[in-house]
Amino acid sequence: ETVMTQSPATLSVSPGERATLSCRASQSVSNNLAWYQHKPGKAPRLLIFDASTRATGVPARFSGSGSGTEFTLTISSLQSEDFAVYYCQQYYDWPPYTFGQGTKLEIK
Amino acid sequence: QVQLQESGPGLVKPSGTLSLTCAVSGGSISTPNWWTWLRQPPGKGLEWIGEIYHSGNTNYNPSLKSRVTISVDKSKNQFSLQLNSVTAADTAVYYCARAPNVDVGGFDYWGQGTLVTVSS
Repeated sequence: ETVMTQSPATLSVSPGERATLSCRASQSVSNNLAWYQHKPGKAPRLLIFDASTRATGVPARFSGSGSGTEFTLTISSLQSEDFAVYYCQQYYDWPPYTFGQGTKLEIK
Repeated sequence: QVQLQESGPGLVKPSGTLSLTCAVSGGSISTPNWWTWLRQPPGKGLEWIGEIYHSGNTNYNPSLKSRVTISVDKSKNQFSLQLNSVTAADTAVYYCARAPNVDVGGFDYWGQGTLVTVSS
């Protein structure tokens, strides 16, 4: 099973600033990586798939990069609605699909 | 717009069976997608439980495989989860989701989730 590790666990950033979230896979997952945004009481939202492709309707301030074992989600200019928990997920080595433990993005 | 909605008991007794249904609206379940169950225990991360195709093909998480059954009812446009021999460790918010078979990786549509508590 591929273990996904996200860092940091919590990230404090001011609105308008850039946020950089990291995700590391225990073995190569090629570019088969997705990022999700999750707010309390709501369904998770797919932001990025194939490591760098924005899902339908996702604003351009969200971007993904990386391949193999190291991945990054960047939010270029944080808006108030962006504060949430973010998860990465690999779909290269399955079953099972596996998720990182999440990064909580909070207002500084 | 595809929508998914979970339903089922919110409380299950230890050693009992957890049964949930996911109703799919806004599109047919008989499309090239894998229909998926996931869960999130309180304070923990997301865990993939398993998936089903409209043909009935299934894949399960090896850690749960001995206790899980996922089935599909095309006439009702819904799919279901059964988890046997539950314990307190199975307490979680359970989500259903869609994983496209082509073009899009990951899970592109999710239900809101339903909390299932295992307790006597």
